[in-house]
Amino acid sequence: NAGVTQTPKFQVLKTGQSMTLQCAQDMNHEYMSWYRQDPGMGLRLIHYSVGAGITDQGEVPNGYNVSRSTTEDFPLRLLSAAPSQTSVYFCASSYSRGGETEAFFGQGTRLTVV
Amino acid sequence: SQQGEEDPQALSIQEGENATMNCSYKTSINNLQWYRQNSGRGLVHLILIRSNEREKHSGRLRVTLDTSKKSSSLLITASRAADTASYFCATKGNTGGFKTIFGAGTRLFVKA
Repeated sequence: NAGVTQTPKFQVLKTGQSMTLQCAQDMNHEYMSWYRQDPGMGLRLIHYSVGAGITDQGEVPNGYNVSRSTTEDFPLRLLSAAPSQTSVYFCASSYSRGGETEAFFGQGTRLTVV
Repeated sequence: SQQGEEDPQALSIQEGENATMNCSYKTSINNLQWYRQNSGRGLVHLILIRSNEREKHSGRLRVTLDTSKKSSSLLITASRAADTASYFCATKGNTGGFKTIFGAGTRLFVKA
């Protein structure tokens, strides 16, 4: 059982470039979410999804897009990367919506925007 | 702004001692969860306590919840060097919506 898989693990982008961070889970979880983690800031919720075709904004959604075409995948798109988006990004999934059960986290994607 | 705030920000103790971390939150919650993060890794779930529970145990972990004070504490007894990690509380509000919000974390260092 792979759990939550994030790719890539590391990425360097130039300002203005776009890219997609991939997240896949094989647990048939309904709920998936993206967080960013910055030093001293904990995890901040970017976007989340309560099922295929349904997404919503979190605390810091600006500059990011998401879609959920399948239960398994929840990609995060950076449309035009900015240095302020340098961070570690975590994808998480859980069986039920919004925290009634434990969340499983991927290993993270460390993104640097230069 | 974040829902949960952990206290202290950092804690250094000797192996065998107990470690206590606190979490305060702002709005009414459905449940509160504690997670551990080892350096450079993803978060791992430790324990979930529901709003109608006051205390919960799991191995060397003891979590309390005081909804009147909007606070929770995580106690790790007989700490080990392997407990060195960051610990986060996460809350889900009970006003509808599906957001789980994390605090900034407590960095625990256990000296062997």
